[in-house]
Amino acid sequence: DGGITQSPKYLFRKEGQNVTLSCEQNLNHDAMYWYRQDPGQGLRLIYYSQIVNDFQKGDIAEGYSVSREKKESFPLTVTSAQKNPTAFYLCASGTGVNQPQHFGDGTRLSIL
Amino acid sequence: KNEVEQSPQNLTAQEGEFITINCSYSVGISALHWLQQHPGGGIVSLFMLSSGKKKHGRLIATINIQEKHSSLHITASHPRDSAVYICARGGADGLTFGKGTHLIIQP
Repeated sequence: DGGITQSPKYLFRKEGQNVTLSCEQNLNHDAMYWYRQDPGQGLRLIYYSQIVNDFQKGDIAEGYSVSREKKESFPLTVTSAQKNPTAFYLCASGTGVNQPQHFGDGTRLSIL
Repeated sequence: KNEVEQSPQNLTAQEGEFITINCSYSVGISALHWLQQHPGGGIVSLFMLSSGKKKHGRLIATINIQEKHSSLHITASHPRDSAVYICARGGADGLTFGKGTHLIIQP
């Protein structure tokens, strides 16, 4: 079955550590997205990529980094520079801007 | 100020009731999206529309471009419809999301 897989489902980070969230899709979609969701707020775009080896900052990119070496994969690294990393992170993919996006089940990141 | 405003924020209704969730946006769009987020966090896309009305099962989405307003209706609501419903504006810069409407349908 085609879809998006995010792992892990839950992740704990010590202060000062970088952590990487995995996102893999087998939908053959060109575009991939990372969103952050906080209680009471809408999804906010962190980074997006419309093609392999290219990505763009979203609204809240500070403290995060991404790579897009393969079409199927778009990992997100939450760096120690992100001062408030506790949140629910969602990865999505789509065929292009303004097309419906397919979402993963999310990763919940907490700070120990 | 969020470009996409949803109302109500929370809605509790009895099984069988007709449900309406509203979405207003402040800038022009290329498309309006409705999504459903389940209690576990997963999100599914329900509708993408740029004019008129779309229907899928018991769900109906309408949009009025002139008034910059969209509604999501659920007919014959059921407890399994309990979820967060999210409206998103599609533009040249991608999707801008509303904060969501938390719907609970009681048996």
